[in-house]
Amino acid sequence: DAKTTQPPSMDCAEGRAANLPCNHSTISGNEYVYWYRQIHSQGPQYIIHGLKNNETNEMASLIITEDRKSSTLILPHATLRDTAVYYCIVTSGTYKYIFGTGTRLKVLA
Amino acid sequence: GAVVSQHPSRVICKSGTSVKIECRSLDFQATTMFWYRQFPKQSLMLMATSNEGSKATYEQGVEKDKFLINHASLTLSTLTVTSAHPEDSSFYICSAHDSSSGNTIYFGEGSWLTVV
Repeated sequence: DAKTTQPPSMDCAEGRAANLPCNHSTISGNEYVYWYRQIHSQGPQYIIHGLKNNETNEMASLIITEDRKSSTLILPHATLRDTAVYYCIVTSGTYKYIFGTGTRLKVLA
Repeated sequence: GAVVSQHPSRVICKSGTSVKIECRSLDFQATTMFWYRQFPKQSLMLMATSNEGSKATYEQGVEKDKFLINHASLTLSTLTVTSAHPEDSSFYICSAHDSSSGNTIYFGEGSWLTVV
C-alpha cells in the first residue's frame, strides 16, 4: 500500500472549515483513500473514503486531485469535538491499514 | 456504522501473568480482524491479522508466542498477552472488516493494558 504524508499539526477556529491535506504520490490505480480520526484514548473512527471522485457525507467532504496524488479532507464547520488526530490511509482493499503519523487538529474556541 | 466492541476497556495485571482481550463484531460477521498497539503519543502499529478458522499472520518483529491470537468464530477474536511485562503496557486496538459495507474497516474502542 502506498505511503502517505500529512502535516503533523494544524489549528482551526471553531465554526470555520478545517482543510486537512494528505500527500500520496505513489498511489496506484486500485488504491482507495480512507480518512479516520482518533480522539484521545479511543479507537479510530471512520470518516470517509474515495477512489477518484470527490465524496461527501454527513461528517466531511473528501477532495481527491485529478492525478490522485493528494487529497484534502474538509470539515465544513469545525467544532471543539473535532479536535483529534486525523489519519489518511491508502489501501488496495487488503484491509490491513498501515497508519502514518497523522495530523493533530486542534479546534480553537 | 458497524460496531466493534472490545473488552475489557482497562486492565491491570501483574508482571508474569497472562491477560486476554476480546474483540467482537456486534452486528456483522468478520472473517478478518486486525490487532494494533499504540504507545502514548505514537501512531497505531499493526501487530497481526486474525483470520477466522486459521492461524494469525504476524507482522515482522511481533512475537507470535507472546501475543496469542485466536479467531474461533466470525464475531470474536481474542488477543492474549502471555507472561506480560511492564513494557507490554500499551493501548491495544482491534479492527474488523464488514464486507457488507464495502472495504470499510471499523475499530474497537481500545483496551488499556497496564502491567505492574
